Amino acid sequence: QVQLVQSGAEVRKPGSSVKVSCSASGGDFSNFVIGWMRQAPDEEPEWMGGIIPLLGVTNYAQSLQGRVTISADRSTSTSYMELRSLTSEDTAVYYCAKQGSAGAFDIWGQGTMVTVSS
Amino acid sequence: DIQMTQSPPSLSASVGDRVTITCQASQDINNYLNWYQQKPGKAPKLLIFDAANLETGVPSRFSGIGSGTHFTLTISSLQPEDIATYYCQQYDSLRYTFGQGTKLEIK
Repeated sequence: QVQLVQSGAEVRKPGSSVKVSCSASGGDFSNFVIGWMRQAPDEEPEWMGGIIPLLGVTNYAQSLQGRVTISADRSTSTSYMELRSLTSEDTAVYYCAKQGSAGAFDIWGQGTMVTVSS
Repeated sequence: DIQMTQSPPSLSASVGDRVTITCQASQDINNYLNWYQQKPGKAPKLLIFDAANLETGVPSRFSGIGSGTHFTLTISSLQPEDIATYYCQQYDSLRYTFGQGTKLEIK
């Protein structure tokens, strides 16, 4: 079955950037829709954006437009999320997920903790 | 963006109780409403998609109903392993938003 495995925890200083990876196995990555969410402590998940690897088409949350880039490498079945100009408010667990029916995210990665601190 | 209002924020119930969580959308989202269960330190897990469809492998005590702007998730007989936070999530026009969550505890 499909599995998504994310890269490890990161610590960054304010103003820097971070790039998180999400490697897929067990399915046809090119035909997936991959979404990226983040979840600050004790908050609900926030959708950040997504990509259709087959088409290279991306879609971003308006609140993060210009600071986030989502990409995909079909040769390695890996999606990436890069977030720039980090502040303490970007401290969160970042998740990738595969989209299924009705815009539901049916398979999730294990999450990557990103801490922004001086 | 469409806002999702989930209630109650927290809920305490006994094993065997029937539990209902509601989610209200700020505008009509048809049936594009999904429910997730999240346990501490884990990723959300999809329970119900398209308002009323049970995800494969999810126990049948979970059910969902609703359309338009009003949706509910019901656990017919609460089990100890159901202790978690539950989120609704909508999908409309390539935008996705989650409700604020309902933290479910055992009484």
